[in-house]
Amino acid sequence: DAGITQSPRYKITETGRQVTLMCHQTWSHSYMFWYRQDLGHGLRLIYYSAAADITDKGEVPDGYVVSRSKTENFPLTLESATRSQTSVYFCASSALGEQYFGPGTRLTVT
Amino acid sequence: GNSVTQMEGPVTLSEEAFLTINCTYTATGYPSLFWYVQYPGEGLQLLLKATKADDKGSNKGFEATYRKETTSFHLEKGSVQVSDSAVYFCALSSNSGGSNYKLTFGKGTLLTVNP
Repeated sequence: DAGITQSPRYKITETGRQVTLMCHQTWSHSYMFWYRQDLGHGLRLIYYSAAADITDKGEVPDGYVVSRSKTENFPLTLESATRSQTSVYFCASSALGEQYFGPGTRLTVT
Repeated sequence: GNSVTQMEGPVTLSEEAFLTINCTYTATGYPSLFWYVQYPGEGLQLLLKATKADDKGSNKGFEATYRKETTSFHLEKGSVQVSDSAVYFCALSSNSGGSNYKLTFGKGTLLTVNP
């Protein structure tokens, strides 16, 4: 499918477990982003990537790890999940300053 | 640093009412301004944008004008429909420092339109 996809769409995990959220885009956009959305905070940038093998921290990077070995994929890993990481996570890619968002992953950490 | 402030919600209107959602910003350089919309259970979609002062972005009956003198980008629609019920986000992309692909978002405004 063309566009930007995220998997899984829903995930429940336990405190302390490692979990990886996947993001895939078919446009070959250079820039990709991870956000979390929480009530009262809007969207906050976790990490972003300007190209394959180039990543940088956003506003709230603690507890998260990213990698980008291929242009089309940008996985986000929670190395040891905490309840405060319960959120909806959105991946986005960018061309010409416009960002295109995936459908989101709703993550619950119990 | 960059920041976006938009009016607190929720906003509840009757169908065919006039809508205004206020948005003001603080930024270095010459930012581009955006409105994104998020329908229930979905990701954000670009609604409209403006890239320089006095530009007007428009789409689906929504409009917003980039006002540099008041650092504002208010969203308006003359007659809302039930299908416009969603969360609306104002955002900016600053061109300074080579980071012009990063967006700074407001906290979002929930709009509910009743029939």
